[in-house]
Amino acid sequence: QKEVEQDPGPLSVPEGAIVSLNCTYSNSAFQYFMWYRQYSRKGPELLMYTYSSGNKEDGRFTAQVDKSSKYISLFIRDSQPSDSATYLCAMKAGGTSYGKLTFGQGTILTVHP
Amino acid sequence: DAGVIQSPRHEVTEMGQEVTLRCKPISGHDYLFWYRQTMMRGLELLIYFNNNVPIDDSGMPEDRFSAKMPNASFSTLKIQPSEPRDSAVYFCATRGQTTSTDTQYFGPGTRLTVL
Repeated sequence: QKEVEQDPGPLSVPEGAIVSLNCTYSNSAFQYFMWYRQYSRKGPELLMYTYSSGNKEDGRFTAQVDKSSKYISLFIRDSQPSDSATYLCAMKAGGTSYGKLTFGQGTILTVHP
Repeated sequence: DAGVIQSPRHEVTEMGQEVTLRCKPISGHDYLFWYRQTMMRGLELLIYFNNNVPIDDSGMPEDRFSAKMPNASFSTLKIQPSEPRDSAVYFCATRGQTTSTDTQYFGPGTRLTVL
């Protein structure tokens, strides 16, 4: 079993829809949670960063972490065609100055006009 | 800053040939990571360096793979001999020590095809 599980999709939604992307994990040492966005034929770029449990909002994006359930989510409100990309969750254990990032497989999202 | 620079962007080679991928990190970043991405396995960390020193190479799949960072401005990932199953997109990413969010900055990747 992988440490981080992410449904690869693909997910196709109409413009304006609310999108929910999710990851589950098994390593209870993970304390830092990230979402990266990767456009076609580009490298991933950091979208959201959260520490421990709770919510974080940035514009149309909301990241949620539920450590008790080992479950993280990314919500996109009022989705736009420009949001079409692959979204990867990533996680890191705490306690050291640097820990290896473990990525999910990525979910392919298409927002059609 | 130009960001992380990788070369070549595309590489097509035949099985058995040596392949060298190159990365120029963002100036001042002291962590450098090599990843491999495939549809089947997703994004996998191969090796990472801190201040030019390899810290964790547990993700390197076989002895055919090797990586070096001779100075703070340059790193290479070499595959010798290459095999068709090495076909993937290889990313280099870097991070600065003072980055509070542990943000890794990825290059555009090298798309490798081994025939």
